[in-house]
Amino acid sequence: GNSVTQMEGPVTLSEEAFLTINCTYTATGYPSLFWYVQYPGEGLQLLLKATKADDKGSNKGFEATYRKETTSFHLEKGSVQVSDSAVYFCALNDGTDKLIFGTGTRLQVFP
Amino acid sequence: DAGVIQSPRHEVTEMGQEVTLRCKPISGHDYLFWYRQTMMRGLELLIYFNNNVPIDDSGMPEDRFSAKMPNASFSTLKIQPSEPRDSAVYFCASSFRQGAGQPQHFGDGTRLSIL
Repeated sequence: GNSVTQMEGPVTLSEEAFLTINCTYTATGYPSLFWYVQYPGEGLQLLLKATKADDKGSNKGFEATYRKETTSFHLEKGSVQVSDSAVYFCALNDGTDKLIFGTGTRLQVFP
Repeated sequence: DAGVIQSPRHEVTEMGQEVTLRCKPISGHDYLFWYRQTMMRGLELLIYFNNNVPIDDSGMPEDRFSAKMPNASFSTLKIQPSEPRDSAVYFCASSFRQGAGQPQHFGDGTRLSIL
């Protein structure tokens, strides 16, 4: 079946460091891909999305590129802030009614 | 714009009691999803509705759980009787249609503790 695999956390970085959170997927066809962020005590919020190969989603300094050849959708940010500390979820939609989520990656940014 | 609204935000009750969680989706959205989040199992889809009709309840853990959507602006998730292992954060999410590119919008969740 279709699935999403994320790197294990926590990812611990100093402020202004470069961030990469890896996400790979298994799916037939051309799924839509998403990154969600969950801040402490809150629900998941859509961070960015991409709906076709080579699309780049971006928001709040975060970027991710839909790579069909490597079935990946890695999340990147050039300079993280303490306020980016949260749990990040990669997800896909394969054209059905459901989203398939990864297990989440916790990011901790220290000043 | 108002987002997905869940109530209560926190619920603490004793095992055996009935628990009712409530959700108001975003106006105009025709899909509604109930999720449960725990450290052990992560984020699990329990049930979802399309146009107020339950489509897939295969994630509902057992008969103690039930969900209803009497109209387009309200849904409930009920646990009766509740057990300590039901302790989790329960999220409601809604979306406009589904399929390519349509995101789900989540509420802030209900943190449920069963003593």
